[in-house]
Amino acid sequence: GQQVMQIPQYQHVQEGEDFTTYCNSSTTLSNIQWYKQRPGGHPVFLIQLVKSGEVKKQKRLTFQFGEAKKNSSLHITATQTTDVGTYFCAVPDNNNDMRFGAGTRLTVKP
Amino acid sequence: DTEVTQTPKHLVMGMTNKKSLKCEQHMGHRAMYWYKQKAKKPPELMFVYSYEKLSINESVPSRFSPECPNSSLLNLHLHALQPEDSALYLCASSQVRRGREKLFFGSGTQLSVL
Repeated sequence: GQQVMQIPQYQHVQEGEDFTTYCNSSTTLSNIQWYKQRPGGHPVFLIQLVKSGEVKKQKRLTFQFGEAKKNSSLHITATQTTDVGTYFCAVPDNNNDMRFGAGTRLTVKP
Repeated sequence: DTEVTQTPKHLVMGMTNKKSLKCEQHMGHRAMYWYKQKAKKPPELMFVYSYEKLSINESVPSRFSPECPNSSLLNLHLHALQPEDSALYLCASSQVRRGREKLFFGSGTQLSVL
């Protein structure tokens, strides 16, 4: 099935600093999804990227899909304590079932 | 708030017990999933049901037995579990089984096996 590498594993930032997590695949992806899981919570869908070079924004969050559709990033501008959680990318496998990256755990110091 | 309801939220069981996890959705979704999530790890796919038929079983031990009684319900029957099976069990659904569908997750059942 699809394998996707996600980095970094952890990121600790001061409130107000920016944050970025990356997902990389060795093969071309049809699409990629991003989820957020708050501590003690469950994954919640954030966005899906489908087109080459696509950029989507949700308030302070910017999602990008690479031109070759092999990598993607999630960037948060001016982090807030409410951004705390683990961010996962997810890609479809050969059966069209979603497989999750390892996740990036974000902590924010007020 | 989640539109996928899982019960119970917490479960402690002994290795000889039999228990069941339940999941319900009323969004008309025809694909339902069980994921297992260990602490600080990503969700791992266990089972997929598509139109109430088991489509995939990720080589999960037979002590886990899924059931899909109808299009809204999904159960996971547990028997003779091991301590290493302690994890968060997440149910999810999507409109259909297709790699571009958004997954809706339930709040999960935190399972501890003693």
